[in-house]
Amino acid sequence: GAVVSQHPSRVICKSGTSVKIECRSLDFQATTMFWYRQFPKQSLMLMATSNEGSKATYEQGVEKDKFLINHASLTLSTLTVTSAHPEDSSFYICSAPQRSGNSYNEQFFGPGTRLTVL
Amino acid sequence: QKEVEQDPGPLSVPEGAIVSLNCTYSNSAFQYFMWYRQYSRKGPELLMYTYSSGNKEDGRFTAQVDKSSKYISLFIRDSQPSDSATYLCAMSHEYNFNKFYFGSGTKLNVKP
Repeated sequence: GAVVSQHPSRVICKSGTSVKIECRSLDFQATTMFWYRQFPKQSLMLMATSNEGSKATYEQGVEKDKFLINHASLTLSTLTVTSAHPEDSSFYICSAPQRSGNSYNEQFFGPGTRLTVL
Repeated sequence: QKEVEQDPGPLSVPEGAIVSLNCTYSNSAFQYFMWYRQYSRKGPELLMYTYSSGNKEDGRFTAQVDKSSKYISLFIRDSQPSDSATYLCAMSHEYNFNKFYFGSGTKLNVKP
C-alpha cells in the first residue's frame, strides 16, 4: 500500500515555542491530506483538511491561528503548532487518501508525531 | 452524544479465541464503515472496509454492518498474540467520504 511519513516522530519543546510537523506522501500524490489529534485512550479527532494550493478547512472548535497548515506541494503538508502550551501535548497524525482499484478512496495514515510541551 | 460509540475495553482473550469488536453510531447517513488496527504509538492501518450493509470476510477477519440497527462488528477468528492492538472503527458519509468519524478504539490483548 501507499506510504505516508511524518517528521519528527517525537518532539519535546518548551511552552511558547512553535513546532512544525511534516506529513509526506512518499509514493503517490495527495491533493488533500488530513490532520488528526489523538489524546491517550481517546479517538482520533479530525482537526483540519489540508488542500494543496488553497486554504485549509478547519473543524469546529479548532483554532486556525493556533494550528497553521500549509499544503505547498502534492506530497507535503505541514502543521505548525504556534506558541505551544502543555494542553497542546498530544499525538498528531496525518492521513492522505489514495484511490484503490474500485471507487473506494483508502486513507493511509502516517506513523504519528508525539508532541510534549513542557 | 458521540456520533460513534465504541467500548474502550481492554479486552483480554486467550490465543485461539474468537474476538468480537463492536461499534454503534447515530448518524444514518454513514455509508462507509472501516476497521483500523493501531499498534502503540503508530498510525492506524486499514483492516477492512464495507460499503453499506452486509458482511465481508478477509482471512481471519469478518466485518458486519447492520444499518437498521446502526451497529457494526469485527470478528477475529483464531486470534493470535500478534493481533494485540487497539482496534478503531471509522465511518464516513457518501457525500464526504474523506471525513472520518472514529470510535474511541478497543484495546485487545491476546494472551499466548
